[in-house]
Amino acid sequence: GAVVSQHPSWVICKSGTSVKIECRSLDFQATTMFWYRQFPKQSLMLMATSNEGSKATYEQGVEKDKFLINHASLTLSTLTVTSAHPEDSSFYICSVPSTGANVLTFGAGSRLTVL
Amino acid sequence: KNEVEQSPQNLTAQEGEFITINCSYSVGISALHWLQQHPGGGIVSLFMLSSGKKKHGRLIATINIQEKHSSLHITASHPRDSAVYICAVGSGNQFYFGTGTSLTVIP
Repeated sequence: GAVVSQHPSWVICKSGTSVKIECRSLDFQATTMFWYRQFPKQSLMLMATSNEGSKATYEQGVEKDKFLINHASLTLSTLTVTSAHPEDSSFYICSVPSTGANVLTFGAGSRLTVL
Repeated sequence: KNEVEQSPQNLTAQEGEFITINCSYSVGISALHWLQQHPGGGIVSLFMLSSGKKKHGRLIATINIQEKHSSLHITASHPRDSAVYICAVGSGNQFYFGTGTSLTVIP
């Protein structure tokens, strides 16, 4: 599978600010990346599928204007939480599918706390 | 109804015990993954299965395609096995996740 780097691992921000989280595929050209959110003691929830060179596909109930996804290159996808509010505080994780989408490699995750 | 059901939700075991975590799914799959998430949050893919059985050290994963069921077994469990284990099913371009099994192994 791919080697995936996610940054930052944790971030604290004030309400109303925007936060950008990066997901890099270090050794694999990723045309697709997945973004997940995980609330405490809950499982992963797929937010969106990031597609290189085109618009992301968002899951039902996820606001695309709130969670901006950019996948401008085969090695980098970014998730920007715009005008963050305390309820956006969560653990955000990316994953990169490789080998025909059957192998999943996860980033280490980014813990966002909005004050 | 969730596409992926896991059981049990929580499991406490004594060190050395044999542990089984179950996963049932309702969608057609291309592959099933067993993931391990430690308290820090990082997720590691333990197994990817499309049929049969795989073994890595003390971990064994099996899948029965006809019954749409998979099991993860841990032999001779150890406190360092304490983590959340998540079953994930790849179906077409979608992935579906179980709610996870929180395992605590007591010394």
